Amino acid sequence: LAKTTQPISMDSYEGQEVNITCSHNNIATNDYITWYQQFPSQGPRFIIQGYKTKVTNEVASLFIPADRKSSTLSLPRVSLSDTAVYYCLVGDTGGFKTIFGAGTRLFVKA
Amino acid sequence: DTGVSQDPRHKITKRGQNVTFRCDPISEHNRLYWYRQTLGQGPEFLTYFQNEAQLEKSRLLSDRFSAERPKGSFSTLEIQRTEQGDSAMYLCASHRTGGARNTEAFFGQGTRLTVV
Repeated sequence: LAKTTQPISMDSYEGQEVNITCSHNNIATNDYITWYQQFPSQGPRFIIQGYKTKVTNEVASLFIPADRKSSTLSLPRVSLSDTAVYYCLVGDTGGFKTIFGAGTRLFVKA
Repeated sequence: DTGVSQDPRHKITKRGQNVTFRCDPISEHNRLYWYRQTLGQGPEFLTYFQNEAQLEKSRLLSDRFSAERPKGSFSTLEIQRTEQGDSAMYLCASHRTGGARNTEAFFGQGTRLTVV
């Protein structure tokens, strides 16, 4: 199972773009990269999933370089409500069987 | 509301007692996962079902833990002879496989277990 490495925490201000990078050097050919968001006392919530290049949805973009050994979650114009923990998962079924790791704690300030 | 419900939301039990949690997944989802999450850590995979078959169990799942998913619908997670180290949030997620693209997993809000 691919192991992921993310920064432990990040701070930002409202309105800024936030980029969170995840390293997954041992990613396998069949693995997808999935990002989840978690608020306190709630289960994780799906943000975005990708396999290669760039994926964009209504809340985020996911950039994956050609070697797929890392990925970057981009949150445009964050607000206070984006303060949460963000997890990067890698696996052939979206990473659901992997250990999430401690994630990246994003704190958005006014 | 993700469509995955867990019951109870909170459980306080005395050490040595047995507890059982229930998860009702989204009805058309064939896969169901259980995770445990302690404070400040990410969710740790415990086990998962494909329909009614339990396909994988983590080494974290000691003999005191058992999970079932009769008829491939709801699932239960039982912890026997609880210990203080079992105190955690227990999360359930469901997922639909198939198709060319992987899909997201939907998580319930979890059951917070406190063993005193």
